[in-house]
Amino acid sequence: DAGVIQSPRHEVTEMGQEVTLRCKPISGHNSLFWYRQTMMRGLELLIYFNNNVPIDDSGMPEDRFSAKMPNASFSTLKIQPSEPRDSAVYFCASSHRGENYEQYFGPGTRLTVT
Amino acid sequence: KNEVEQSPQNLTAQEGEFITINCSYSVGISALHWLQQHPGGGIVSLFMLSSGKKKHGRLIATINIQEKHSSLHITASHPRDSAVYICAVRFTSGSRLTFGEGTQLTVNP
Repeated sequence: DAGVIQSPRHEVTEMGQEVTLRCKPISGHNSLFWYRQTMMRGLELLIYFNNNVPIDDSGMPEDRFSAKMPNASFSTLKIQPSEPRDSAVYFCASSHRGENYEQYFGPGTRLTVT
Repeated sequence: KNEVEQSPQNLTAQEGEFITINCSYSVGISALHWLQQHPGGGIVSLFMLSSGKKKHGRLIATINIQEKHSSLHITASHPRDSAVYICAVRFTSGSRLTFGEGTQLTVNP
């Protein structure tokens, strides 16, 4: 298996633009997680899905952030409009069943908003 | 308040040394994860445990539920072990993982 796949790996955009990050979980995994990592706040869970359904989105910073999982093999995290403080590395991870199981991380997307 | 604390924040060791990284948490948990983040940024899950001890190669993770404490041990450390090690817990009162700030480990040859 190729592991968790994220795209793009790097994204540089201007403030106000829409940004879409993409994730393909490991085949057969039922849970998908979106994390954000910054120097100031470390790793933070933004949202996680179980069987394509959002279970906990309390970590999503504000209405500018939205996440979807239209099917078991694809998820998106969208920021609209983007702001410089959104600059961070965004990780996607998947696991067999929920947070109490081992999670497999993607390589991350480094987002820079200027 | 649900908190996770790691110590030390930074650790420098010589190749071959035995290394211990600690993680303490404030209230009951349902699971604890140890993660390794490489200098290039990639994150690997090392262990997930809720009791006892797990071993994988030179890595050993232990957890003491009564003391609310977990340790990650590395035996015969090697420069390739240099990374940030992150402890994350799922509190029984919540549904999300809470992360420690990480321990930066540098192993010198």
